[in-house]
Amino acid sequence: QQQVKQSPQSLIVQKGGISIINCAYENTAFDYFPWYQQFPGKGPALLIAIRPDVSEKKEGRFTISFNKSAKQFSLHIMDSQPGDSATYFCAASSNNQGGKLIFGQGTELSVKP
Amino acid sequence: DSGVTQTPKHLITATGQRVTLRCSPRSGDLSVYWYQQSLDQGLQFLIHYYNGEERAKGNILERFSAQQFPDLHSELNLSSLELGDSALYFCASSGPWSGGDEQFFGPGTRLTVL
Repeated sequence: QQQVKQSPQSLIVQKGGISIINCAYENTAFDYFPWYQQFPGKGPALLIAIRPDVSEKKEGRFTISFNKSAKQFSLHIMDSQPGDSATYFCAASSNNQGGKLIFGQGTELSVKP
Repeated sequence: DSGVTQTPKHLITATGQRVTLRCSPRSGDLSVYWYQQSLDQGLQFLIHYYNGEERAKGNILERFSAQQFPDLHSELNLSSLELGDSALYFCASSGPWSGGDEQFFGPGTRLTVL
């Protein structure tokens, strides 16, 4: 019940296209859903996050869509650029569990020029 | 740059040895989290400290321990090392409240056990 399932494992998108990564969770106590971006040799960097009281959040080219009833959330990267090529992780946490993040397995995104 | 610092960047050691990984949180953050990243297990939560006190524990091995000092830096001690402990170890910080939320990760320590 603590798992967060992420798909796809890898994704190839043309420059200018839309990248979509999906995550699903089971634990209804989760109340915070961040996305992290990780480049090789670096630590994960917080990209954007959402709480269950809203269905969508947009920051620049990055949008989170959240479906509480389906227990799913997704990251959309609009106008994808080669510099977006990285590994993306979704995560979830519950305020009553000390803030620990439960991470998805990661998606390796490659944006082709 | 997240403002979280970790030392050392790389660590190579032998099985059975003990190592200490160090983390300094962002200025003003009271929480420190430790995570392990490996190819087979992904990113796994180990432990959370808030203002010197342990707040949550994940699947942390008994051979591993951590503490947070009065100046808020944290150390993760790994003992009786095994080959399978080879991984990237990240610390993250958040705060000043204990609920977690926005966690900012350091650059990590790559541990290689030979």
